[in-house]
Amino acid sequence: KNEVEQSPQNLTAQEGEFITINCSYSVGISALHWLQQHPGGGIVSLFMLSSGKKKHGRLIATINIQEKHSSLHITASHPRDSAVYICAVWIANTGNQFYFGTGTSLTVIP
Amino acid sequence: NAGVMQNPRHLVRRRGQEARLRCSPMKGHSHVYWYRQLPEEGLKFMVYLQKENIIDESGMPKERFSAEFPKEGPSILRIQQVVRGDSAAYFCASSPPRGEQFFGPGTRLTVL
Repeated sequence: KNEVEQSPQNLTAQEGEFITINCSYSVGISALHWLQQHPGGGIVSLFMLSSGKKKHGRLIATINIQEKHSSLHITASHPRDSAVYICAVWIANTGNQFYFGTGTSLTVIP
Repeated sequence: NAGVMQNPRHLVRRRGQEARLRCSPMKGHSHVYWYRQLPEEGLKFMVYLQKENIIDESGMPKERFSAEFPKEGPSILRIQQVVRGDSAAYFCASSPPRGEQFFGPGTRLTVL
């Protein structure tokens, strides 16, 4: 069983739609990251969260520590948002390891 | 402040050769992490290093793989006697102590 579960695995949306990607984890964490990976490209860190909510442009990330759950929201989605979004939890007391979700592949259609 | 640098970006090796992947952390970052992404799979932790120390190598295969982060110069991930199954994207990340990790662009290794 994965320490980090993401849903959905694949998501197709029309341009302009509001998108939510969910992440659940089963271990105590120091922080949670949302990462973005474009096809054939590198990885960009979107957010690092340990509590509450963060917003950057059209992206919003929330985390509920008690429920061990985080969501990534994209408002007014755009085709350039098409990418794989990866949830990663950082557990400092095991040597600063990251545990990664399998990713959500998002396609935004014009 | 340049980001995390990795080179080469693409590396082709024949079976049995050695692969050396380099990672230069961001300025001021003393922690380096290596991750592997196999085709059609998610990212997996390999090793966590600080200068001249391996902190956690629990994700490293037992044989053929080694990593170092010397006092001077980049971190090196070395794969000896590569096999086709080593073909993957290898990502490096760096961070300050207990800080956010920033990822490099990755090195795509292809073993023929």
